[in-house]
Amino acid sequence: EDQVTQSPEALRLQEGESSSLNCSYTVSGLRGLFWYRQDPGKGPEFLFTLYSAGEEKEKERLKATLTKKESFLHITAPKPEDSATYLCAVQALADFGNEKLTFGTGTRLTIIP
Amino acid sequence: EPEVTQTPSHQVTQMGQEVILRCVPISNHLYFYWYRQILGQKVEFLVSFYNNEISEKSEIFDDQFSVERPDGSNFTLKIRSTKLEDSAMYFCASVGGAGNQPQHFGDGTRLSIL
Repeated sequence: EDQVTQSPEALRLQEGESSSLNCSYTVSGLRGLFWYRQDPGKGPEFLFTLYSAGEEKEKERLKATLTKKESFLHITAPKPEDSATYLCAVQALADFGNEKLTFGTGTRLTIIP
Repeated sequence: EPEVTQTPSHQVTQMGQEVILRCVPISNHLYFYWYRQILGQKVEFLVSFYNNEISEKSEIFDDQFSVERPDGSNFTLKIRSTKLEDSAMYFCASVGGAGNQPQHFGDGTRLSIL
């Protein structure tokens, strides 16, 4: 069974204080690892897909990296508008064209002005 | 930018009643999904749908649940006889094709069972 564990559950940072969020996963065969952002009362909003160990993706103040067992979401000099819950999800290799996502419980990030 | 839309945003229903949640996926997308999120818990997969049939369903998706794509634009989730434990946010998602493309989510329907 595919499993995703995210840590920490919650993180409070001062504006400009960089940090990293962790996503550990076990999956029979990884098709892709996805990062989403979720604001209160909203659906998950896609950020990145990572496919293989060593891959990195960047978008504004966010950078996602991937190893064979975990992924990190690095946030550099965050701003209050970066406050949200960040979700990690894995998709397994399978015959079906586009498999379900298995999500972690998320990290609730709060950036204090 | 195209988006997945869901209606209603909030549904309040008496236990035992039937409820239908509606979704309009992104136009030209081929794969459709329903997920749910109980308050404070993780997003959980319910069912995937492709080529007018269910591709996969989770243990949660029992005989009380059904999905339908009645026309070229709508995708619905029906719960026949709701239970208190069905109270959750229900998210619809769609994706354009096979492979590693990301699933795009709607903003959900908050279902409250009284």
